[in-house]
Amino acid sequence: ETGVTQSPTHLIKTRGQQVTLRCSSQSGHNTVSWYQQALGQGPQFIFQYYREEENGRGNFPPRFSGLQFPNYSSELNVNALELDDSALYLCASGGGVGTYEQYFGPGTRLTVT
Amino acid sequence: QKEVEQDPGPLSVPEGAIVSLNCTYSNSAFQYFMWYRQYSRKGPELLMYTYSSGNKEDGRFTAQVDKSSKYISLFIRDSQPSDSATYLCAMTRDQGGSEKLVFGKGTKLTVNP
Repeated sequence: ETGVTQSPTHLIKTRGQQVTLRCSSQSGHNTVSWYQQALGQGPQFIFQYYREEENGRGNFPPRFSGLQFPNYSSELNVNALELDDSALYLCASGGGVGTYEQYFGPGTRLTVT
Repeated sequence: QKEVEQDPGPLSVPEGAIVSLNCTYSNSAFQYFMWYRQYSRKGPELLMYTYSSGNKEDGRFTAQVDKSSKYISLFIRDSQPSDSATYLCAMTRDQGGSEKLVFGKGTKLTVNP
């Protein structure tokens, strides 16, 4: 086990709705990254947070936003859900800027209908 | 051209076989190379982590990086049914401290008893 947990496990939403996904990182890990994994694809980087500040963003629109809290928890928020947002959302925690090992949680499977 | 290319397989081998998994990449800035194993409906699990060119061995697993050819490999010796999973290659470049991982699509491996 990686010590990274995510909730909920599964979620079904309707197009246009908003969703919040949660992650609890390993204690002592200062970075948290979020990835989107569509079926049959590798994970795609959404963004990373380091000490509660966004520290890099992938090619995702602004309706994907996040927060990181001092207690090693974080959130991914997606507004105005689209059908293509259906995917497995993974969070990964790491030891900090300059360390490259990242440990993934089990993911939240989001289905948008 | 995608930054990281990985043959999605599927790959089916008998128990005890040597398995070779490969990825190619186009960006010479990648410095850190990883292999993740992902079981069905689970998050990716870090298997091997290599910096720059060379080999690294861990039990039945050997990772090789050839930066001159932009080619990385993972070898699994004496493969077991429990090795059946999707194997994802991933790599990073130093991007101002944002260590986003760039993944291949994954290769689905089945080891038959």
